[in-house]
Amino acid sequence: NAGVTQTPKFRVLKTGQSMTLLCAQDMNHEYMYWYRQDPGMGLRLIHYSVGEGTTAKGEVPDGYNVSRLKKQNFLLGLESAAPSQTSVYFCASSYSPGDEQYFGPGTRLTVT
Amino acid sequence: AQRVTQPEKLLSVFKGAPVELKCNYSYSGSPELFWYVQYSRQRLQLLLRHISRESIKGFTADLNKGETSFHLKKPFAQEEDSAMYYCALRNTDKLIFGTGTRLQVFP
Repeated sequence: NAGVTQTPKFRVLKTGQSMTLLCAQDMNHEYMYWYRQDPGMGLRLIHYSVGEGTTAKGEVPDGYNVSRLKKQNFLLGLESAAPSQTSVYFCASSYSPGDEQYFGPGTRLTVT
Repeated sequence: AQRVTQPEKLLSVFKGAPVELKCNYSYSGSPELFWYVQYSRQRLQLLLRHISRESIKGFTADLNKGETSFHLKKPFAQEEDSAMYYCALRNTDKLIFGTGTRLQVFP
């Protein structure tokens, strides 16, 4: 099992460009999460999903959109990137909210 | 409001010294608390949760509802314990993470 994978690993964008980050899990988990990790800020939840076809806002959703068309995939989109979105993005999945969250390796995004 | 506070950004100790990483929470209801760890160049992973009351890699954490704390402790630190540690609180369908504490264990 690959667990949780993220694509791409690194990306550099110019202000105003768009991109999509892909998260995939092969553990048949219902719950999936997108976080951003910034120095001194810890992990902050962007959006999450409690099952295929569902999405919900987290703590810092502005400037991001998500989709969960298939159970195993959770996409994070930036429609118009801003320098404030420079961060490391982590995807995670879990069987239920009280269970262990399994994390992906992260995507390092730089917006210039 | 639900919140997790980790007051120390950095904790430095020598090998063999005791370690206590502090975590305080704010939650109305019965809390579920976790400790996650991120070693250098590795994925974030679960270290322990208060429900299981386990000791993982020599670490323990006791939920103190009176002090609203879930401090992580280890009696004798090892160099391989150097990592970033996050305390997390379950809030319905999601986790609220603290800002993290970096533990440095010197030889």
